[in-house]
Amino acid sequence: GESVGLHLPTLSVQEGDNSIINCAYSNSASDYFIWYKQESGKGPQFIIDIRSNMDKRQGQRVTVLLNKTVKHLSLQIAATQPGDSAVYFCAENTGNQFYFGTGTSLTVIP
Amino acid sequence: GAGVSQSPRYKVAKRGQDVALRCDPISGHVSLFWYQQALGQGPEFLTYFQNEAQLDKSGLPSDRFFAERPEGSVSTLKIQRTQKEDSAVYLCASSLGTGGHTEAFFGQGTRLTVV
Repeated sequence: GESVGLHLPTLSVQEGDNSIINCAYSNSASDYFIWYKQESGKGPQFIIDIRSNMDKRQGQRVTVLLNKTVKHLSLQIAATQPGDSAVYFCAENTGNQFYFGTGTSLTVIP
Repeated sequence: GAGVSQSPRYKVAKRGQDVALRCDPISGHVSLFWYQQALGQGPEFLTYFQNEAQLDKSGLPSDRFFAERPEGSVSTLKIQRTQKEDSAVYLCASSLGTGGHTEAFFGQGTRLTVV
């Protein structure tokens, strides 16, 4: 089956610095990807998405990069704030299912 | 409603007991998903509905798990004869479109603990 994994399970950054969270996926047929943020006790919250016909997409303080050649996604968060502390998941879509990785726990140090 | 609503938020069940978990999706959303999330893990797909039709149930771990969405809106996930390994957070998500290529909105989940 498909697998979506994250390179680093934990990441600590200083407030104000930029954060980069990486994700590898294995199914080359996946054509839609979403980054979710999950705070403790809450459901995953949509951050940004990207389709496979794009390499880059920008939102407010966030940028997602997609490298289909090496099947890699990254989420960049600019000027990281304490409220960004959470677990971040990438999810790939194939057919009707979204496949999630294990997640990266981001801690922002004030 | 404003978002996906799940109830109860917490459920403690004795092993062998049957449980029913409810999901109220966003009004008008065609697609509905159920996921199981173990502690420290990402959500794992259980099943998918398009309106009232259950199009994919490949993720249901055993025949003790059953989901329905009879009127294409509210959905119920039922687990019969619960086991300790069923302890997890059960997440429901809905999306406006079909085929998975649209944003899925998640509820807060139901935390099931089987003792």
